[in-house]
Order: sequence, then C-alpha cells, then structure tokens
Amino acid sequence: GDSVTQMEGPVTLSEEAFLTINCTYTATGYPSLFWYVQYPGEGLQLLLKATKADDKGSNKGFEATYRKETTSFHLEKGSVQVSDSAVYFCALQANAGGTSYGKLTFGQGTILTVHP
Amino acid sequence: SQTIHQWPATLVQPVGSPLSLECTVEGTSNPNLYWYRQAAGRGLQLLFYSVGIGQISSEVPQNLSASRPQDRQFILSSKKLLLSDSGFYLCAWRLYGRAGELFFGEGSRLTVL
Repeated sequence: GDSVTQMEGPVTLSEEAFLTINCTYTATGYPSLFWYVQYPGEGLQLLLKATKADDKGSNKGFEATYRKETTSFHLEKGSVQVSDSAVYFCALQANAGGTSYGKLTFGQGTILTVHP
Repeated sequence: SQTIHQWPATLVQPVGSPLSLECTVEGTSNPNLYWYRQAAGRGLQLLFYSVGIGQISSEVPQNLSASRPQDRQFILSSKKLLLSDSGFYLCAWRLYGRAGELFFGEGSRLTVL
C-alpha cells in the first residue's frame, strides 16, 4: 500500500538557520504530494502541494519539489523563524482513477523547534 | 467562505463510557468528510470517510463508528471507550471532485482514563 516516510525528529534550529525535512514516499501511479503544518493546539493547515513530477510547491518561504526519480518531496526553508515552530506532515494522495476519494496518507510528522 | 467546526475541543472520559464527537461544515455542499486520529508521538491515521449522507467507509477495524446524518455533519462515536482510544481526533472535508487539499477542523483531544 501507499506510505510516507519522514525524517525522525525533533529538529531544533536557531533562528535564520536553513531547514530541510526529508520526505520519501511509496505509491503506485502518480500521486499528489502535500506538506501540512500543525501549530500547537491547532488542526492541520495546508502549507504547500505539488501534483505532478518536477512541480515545485511554495508558500511562506517554504519550498518542496516533487522528485519522481527519487520518490521524494523534501521541505526546505532558507531562514527559519521562531514562528515556524510546529509539527510538519508530509502526505500523499493517490490518483487511483478517481477511487481514492481524496484520502490522504500521512507521514509520522516532524517536530520543529526554532530558538531565538 | 467555508468553515469547519469540531466539538468538544477537549474531553476526559472513563474507560467503558460512550463517546460522541461532532463535526460540521458550513459554506459548502456535498463535501467528502474524514475522521483522522493522531495518537501521541505518531502520525495521522484515517479512521473513516464519507462521500455522502449515510455513506461511511471504515479504514481500520476498531472500537469506533461514524455516522453522517446530514450532508454537512459527521459524527464519531463509541459505545464503550478503551484506553487506546485516547488521542487527538481531526475532522476534515474536501470538495467532491477537487483533487488534493483537505481542510481540517481544530481537533478534539480525548483522554480516556
């Protein structure tokens, strides 16, 4: 079945440091890929997405590129802020001829803490 | 604009007691609806999804059930809670036919003692 694997956390960085959170996936066909963010005590919010190979999703200074050859969708940000402290989830949505019903398969999440 | 609400936000229940978590969506029609659970230190697990009134699909066998009595209402229930039911429950919706993005509610934190 489909699966998503994220790098183990927690990740602790100083403000303005470079961030990479690795994400790899296993899926048949051509899934869509997502990064969601969960701030403390809140639900999940979509951060960015990519729907086909070589697409780059970007939002709020975060970027991720859909790499089919390495089945990866790594999240990056050039300069993190304290306000970026949250849990980050990588997810995929299978494109199974319309029968996936929009279900998302999530990775285990990576806790990011940014210190001033 | 569309909004999604879950309640209660926090719940502490004894083992063996019943459960009812409610989720409603406003500002849209015929959404796909989902219940996810986030256990401590783990990722999100899809529990149920629904593509229409009365249509429920279960992803994993468990002690929980779901119902959709109205188009924009999704309820998660249990007759007798187990300790392992503790977690953070998230409801989500998606426009039918629109690939991708799910919109999540604020979540309901359940502690079973």
